Amino acid sequence: EAQVTQNPRYLITVTGKKLTVTCSQNMNHEYMSWYRQDPGLGLRQIYYSMNVEVTDKGDVPEGYKVSRKEKRNFPLILESPSPNQTSLYFCASSLLAGRGNQPQHFGDGTRLSIL
Amino acid sequence: AQKVTQAQTEISVVEKEDVTLDCVYETRDTTYYLFWYKQPPSGELVFLIRRNSFDEQNEISGRYSWNFQKSTSSFNFTITASQVVDSAVYFCALSEPDFGNQFYFGTGTSLTVIP
Repeated sequence: EAQVTQNPRYLITVTGKKLTVTCSQNMNHEYMSWYRQDPGLGLRQIYYSMNVEVTDKGDVPEGYKVSRKEKRNFPLILESPSPNQTSLYFCASSLLAGRGNQPQHFGDGTRLSIL
Repeated sequence: AQKVTQAQTEISVVEKEDVTLDCVYETRDTTYYLFWYKQPPSGELVFLIRRNSFDEQNEISGRYSWNFQKSTSSFNFTITASQVVDSAVYFCALSEPDFGNQFYFGTGTSLTVIP
């Protein structure tokens, strides 16, 4: 089954404790992306990657890191989480056909609470 | 400045009414892609439609239709004969291939269909 898998689905942690949210897709998609969803703000792109070893900042990259060492995986790293990073996070992937994005497939989301 | 504006934060309609969700975008690209996604109360993000900037034909899919007008930079979504299952948050999104394939989502419109 074609899917984007995020782990964990829920996490409560404390300020400053490094955490990683994993994302994996099985569709051989070139494009992968992380978003955060906050009430009234919609989805905002944090980082995206158009291929292995290629990553770019989205609208809200501060406080986050990513890596794309393999095509299927795109982990989101919070080196020193703070309460303002409490949010619902989505990973997504899509094909890049020609120059443009095909529709993105989204994971089920990770709800992060930073105390 | 917001690249994608969904001015309607919340809409309520009675079942069987028609409803239009507005989306206005801003882009510097000559080739771009527009998307609509649905987020039902269960939280997953469901792709509805992708439209490229060269294709201004309106599209109909069952009770759903989309009106793309480049002259007004709008990509509106109409649900005909709304049903309770249409209750969800709907997001409009923009991708600009010539500027890195970053994705921009609107803040979403929460639609409630009252039985």
